[in-house]
Amino acid sequence: AQKITQTQPGMFVQEKEAVTLDCTYDTSDPSYGLFWYKQPSSGEMIFLIYQGSYDQQNATEGRYSLNFQKARKSANLVISASQLGDSAMYFCAMREGHDTGNQFYFGTGTSLTVIP
Amino acid sequence: KAGVTQTPRYLIKTRGQQVTLSCSPISGHRSVSWYQQTPGQGLQFLFEYFSETQRNKGNFPGRFSGRQFSNSRSEMNVSTLELGDSALYLCASSQVGQGEPEAFFGQGTRLTVV
Repeated sequence: AQKITQTQPGMFVQEKEAVTLDCTYDTSDPSYGLFWYKQPSSGEMIFLIYQGSYDQQNATEGRYSLNFQKARKSANLVISASQLGDSAMYFCAMREGHDTGNQFYFGTGTSLTVIP
Repeated sequence: KAGVTQTPRYLIKTRGQQVTLSCSPISGHRSVSWYQQTPGQGLQFLFEYFSETQRNKGNFPGRFSGRQFSNSRSEMNVSTLELGDSALYLCASSQVGQGEPEAFFGQGTRLTVV
């Protein structure tokens, strides 16, 4: 089974609107971390936001928020007030266990296009 | 602070050759991991080094190897290159276990095998 599933290959959003990128995960480990990364065409993976499995509140970082629904095993990324510079690939990722290193499981990504 | 530096940025190699890629992590980060990104397979974990020891390994053939030096810089080597090895190779560094859960990625090395 896939550890991370992103079901939206491509998304379009109007500038200044909000958009939600979907992510579901699968793990039996009670301790895990969920991450979202942005990859522009230059190739670098840019960290956006992190949610720990034991965190009670949804994570927020500026215009990014993570809608964490543990029972449904979903970790959707919400981008508010979209900007043209938000056009990129977005990857959801998970790291299992506590302090077990850097093995991330990535989804297949969602290509976001912001329309002026 | 300086980010993760990968060199070279671009490489073109011929089938059968070998290649070495380099990654300098963020200062103070002791964990370095490598990922292969292709359009068909997406992002796949290759291996991770922590304090000069390989801690985790993905499902790649033995042609893919790596090492880490005492200053945490890491290299990965691919021998007997195949056309399918053409990919973007990304390196990530992390403090792991020291309150900074995210991994920081370099810009990658784009390898083309012809």
